[in-house]
Amino acid sequence: ETGVTQTPRHLVMGMTNKKSLKCEQHLGHNAMYWYKQSAKKPLELMFVYSLEERVENNSVPSRFSPECPNSSHLFLHLHTLQPEDSALYLCASSQEPGMPGNTIYFGEGSWLTVV
Amino acid sequence: SQQGEEDPQALSIQEGENATMNCSYKTSINNLQWYRQNSGRGLVHLILIRSNEREKHSGRLRVTLDTSKKSSSLLITASRAADTASYFCATAPYTGGGNKLTFGTGTQLKVEL
Repeated sequence: ETGVTQTPRHLVMGMTNKKSLKCEQHLGHNAMYWYKQSAKKPLELMFVYSLEERVENNSVPSRFSPECPNSSHLFLHLHTLQPEDSALYLCASSQEPGMPGNTIYFGEGSWLTVV
Repeated sequence: SQQGEEDPQALSIQEGENATMNCSYKTSINNLQWYRQNSGRGLVHLILIRSNEREKHSGRLRVTLDTSKKSSSLLITASRAADTASYFCATAPYTGGGNKLTFGTGTQLKVEL
């Protein structure tokens, strides 16, 4: 138990569906992140939120839409995805977003399959 | 190529042996971190070494950092089957952006009984 909870753990969706991934952190952290992990590729940072404000968006297609209603919750809204978007999506949190020496705490991930 | 690259990509050893994984990076860093990932699970932070440190220990883990060579190594001593996982290095840039950790592709370690 890392203190970062992701739901659902597994999701299968069609290319025309709309779904959301949810993340909740119980660590009192100020920053939350979405990462994408595909086979044979390095972990890709998608979005960073600091105190509910998006501070980084790494050229992620608009079919991925993040939402951070408060510092404990983070969503990733998905719509009209492509099969190549199938991957493990990891949510993470840390105390301070811009501080070197940050340790990042990851959730267990949501396995997404787009069919 | 990526900021952090681990070597080897895969490593298979017998229980009780030591496992050594290497990480090379390209730009100046503030710190380097190692994470572990069990199959299909999230990453777990193992150890952080700052750019002004050369060696750090945590239990059976020993991390070294050579900033002149831009490389780090992770040594797991007396390995156990439970150490089977993927291990990633992540670098934090020298200036700003603690959130800009850059991960490598990882080393898959298999420890056999």
